[in-house]
Amino acid sequence: DAGVIQSPRHEVTEMGQEVTLRCKPISGHNSLFWYRQTMMRGLELLIYFNNNVPIDDSGMPEDRFSAKMPNASFSTLKIQPSEPRDSAVYFCASSLTSGGTYEQYFGPGTRLTVT
Amino acid sequence: QQQVKQSPQSLIVQKGGISIINCAYENTAFDYFPWYQQFPGKGPALLIAIRPDVSEKKEGRFTISFNKSAKQFSLHIMDSQPGDSATYFCAASKGSSNTGKLIFGQGTTLQVKP
Repeated sequence: DAGVIQSPRHEVTEMGQEVTLRCKPISGHNSLFWYRQTMMRGLELLIYFNNNVPIDDSGMPEDRFSAKMPNASFSTLKIQPSEPRDSAVYFCASSLTSGGTYEQYFGPGTRLTVT
Repeated sequence: QQQVKQSPQSLIVQKGGISIINCAYENTAFDYFPWYQQFPGKGPALLIAIRPDVSEKKEGRFTISFNKSAKQFSLHIMDSQPGDSATYFCAASKGSSNTGKLIFGQGTTLQVKP
């Protein structure tokens, strides 16, 4: 298996532009998580899906952020409009929640820079 | 009650020494306690995990010690090596949620000096 796939790996954009981050979870996994990592705030959970349904989006910073999971093999995190304070590394992770196993497999991350 | 508190924030250890990172939690419903390791430029990866029915789990040079009554758990890295230099995150989860959500600590940056 190729693991969790994220694209793009790096994104540089100007303030006010729309940014879309993409994630392909590991085939067969039923939970998907979006995280943001910064030096100041560490690893923050933004939103997570179970069986393609959003379960908890309380970590989404504000209405500029939205996430979708149209099917079991694809998810997007969109920021519109983007701001410099959104600059961070965004990780997607997936897991198979059965039999009490909760290991999350992280993707390589997308480094977002908003100028 | 959902927080996991991790300390220290950073740690410098000499090669061959023991690295110890501590975590504390409040929610007694947590039943799964993993440690994740993250190298620069990479995503976190599972290192070792423990459930509250045992007090210790060892995998090679890595050991988790778990104290259920104190609601604390720690990671011990024996014979620390420069290749262990990374950021370590503790986490906790409760099985009743059945969604796999992990509550992560703030992370500890470990530097092992040669």
